[in-house]
Amino acid sequence: ILNVEQSPQSLHVQEGDSTNFTCSFPSSNFYALHWYRWETAKSPEALFVMTLNGDEKKKGRISATLNTKEGYSYLYIKGSQPEDSATYLCASYSGGSNYKLTFGKGTLLTVNP
Amino acid sequence: DAGITQSPRHKVTETGTPVTLRCHQTENHRYMYWYRQDPGHGLRLIHYSYGVKDTDKGEVSDGYSVSRSKTEDFLLTLESATSSQTSVYFCAISVGQQWREAFFGQGTRLTVV
Repeated sequence: ILNVEQSPQSLHVQEGDSTNFTCSFPSSNFYALHWYRWETAKSPEALFVMTLNGDEKKKGRISATLNTKEGYSYLYIKGSQPEDSATYLCASYSGGSNYKLTFGKGTLLTVNP
Repeated sequence: DAGITQSPRHKVTETGTPVTLRCHQTENHRYMYWYRQDPGHGLRLIHYSYGVKDTDKGEVSDGYSVSRSKTEDFLLTLESATSSQTSVYFCAISVGQQWREAFFGQGTRLTVV
């Protein structure tokens, strides 16, 4: 994998459903994996930053896991609510002297009441 | 809120004119970034700065220049705007080290006609 890839591109769920998204990233020179939540007409806001293989982070109903050896991360939302509707971005930071935070194209989540 | 202000928030300009966007931060963070956001491409890095007068190119730097003469201000200049530079531009900072989460400004919507 050369780029950061997210799937699915978009997702429609009903209120109360649990859902998850995938982020795939290059595992070579990996340093950190970011997840952001981006609501329409606002700016992206960080949800999690993970660095270690096996890391799990949780914030309320949202959680994320990280597998650096195989180059993927999952974001889970339990019991989706309409206010969870947003684009969820992941970004991979590669180590070294130059800044290399590469974003995926995002997963657009729509939660229907 | 990491004290980031972008100006202007909206601008319409004509092809061939120079345009400068300003990013101002109030907390003396070292690392500052300019991204553009386009449908189907997500966030792409234009230029970044790791200190006063220290800047480097990102993945889509052609047609853009930057300057950072003071810690608090990072300017993005389109020397001769083209329609392909119509986009939403986001400034961001990272707190402490480069790999930490990015905090974004409100965005500038630029239209080149």
